[in-house]
Amino acid sequence: SYVLTQPPSVSVAPGKTARLTCGGDNIETKNVHWYQQKSGLAPVLVIHYNNDRPSGIPERFSGSNSGNTATLTISRVEAGDEADYYCQVWDNISDDVFFGGGTKLTVL
Amino acid sequence: QVQLQESGPGLVKPSETLSLTCTVSGGSVSSNRYYWGWIRQPPGKGLEWIGSIYYSGSTYYNSSLKSRVTISGDTSKNQFSLKLTSVTAADTAVYYCARLSSGWFSWGQGTLVTVSS
Repeated sequence: SYVLTQPPSVSVAPGKTARLTCGGDNIETKNVHWYQQKSGLAPVLVIHYNNDRPSGIPERFSGSNSGNTATLTISRVEAGDEADYYCQVWDNISDDVFFGGGTKLTVL
Repeated sequence: QVQLQESGPGLVKPSETLSLTCTVSGGSVSSNRYYWGWIRQPPGKGLEWIGSIYYSGSTYYNSSLKSRVTISGDTSKNQFSLKLTSVTAADTAVYYCARLSSGWFSWGQGTLVTVSS
C-alpha cells in the first residue's frame, strides 16, 4: 500500500497563490496527477504527469514533484477555484491506484 | 473524446449485491491502451479506488475490498461492470466509472447508490 497525505484544508485570498501539497514516500519517483472536484460534480483532471496541464486548464495551475512532496500551485486564485483537490498516483508494477485524502480550498 | 455513463439501481438492501454497469462511447474497452476502473466517494468523504480491468480481462482490486468485488467486461456491448457483495451502509457512495490512461482518469458523471432497507 502507498499512502498519500494531503492537508484537509487550505485558505487563500483572491489574487494570491495557493500551494496544495501531497506527501508520499519518495513520491518524486512516481507520476502524480491532480483533480479538482466542485460540489456535486465529478472530478476534473487539472494536472497530469506532475506538471502537465491538460487542454482547457488555465495556465494559473501548475505542479511540481520533488523528494517526498508533490505540490499543486494555483496562481492568482479566483473564487471559481474553490473546490476539493485530490492527488493520485498509479503503481505501474502492481497496477494499484492511490488517492490522497483531499484538500478543501477555500477562497476568502 | 471518451464518454462514460454509469447505470444501475440507486438503492440496495443490506447484505445484497450492488451491481453497476458502465457504458463507454468514444473509446473501446477492448483497446490495449487503457484500463477501465471504478472509484467511489461516500457522502462528504474522499475518493476510493475500487478496482480496474484491462482489455485482456486482468483485474486489479483495492485490497480492502478485494474479497467482495468483481469487475468484468463485455466487449460486445462496450461495457464493463462492478459487483460488490454483502453490502452495508458503509458502501453508500457515489460510484464513478473511469478510463485509466497512462495513470490518470477520465471520469463518468457518477451515480449515487444508497444501501438501506
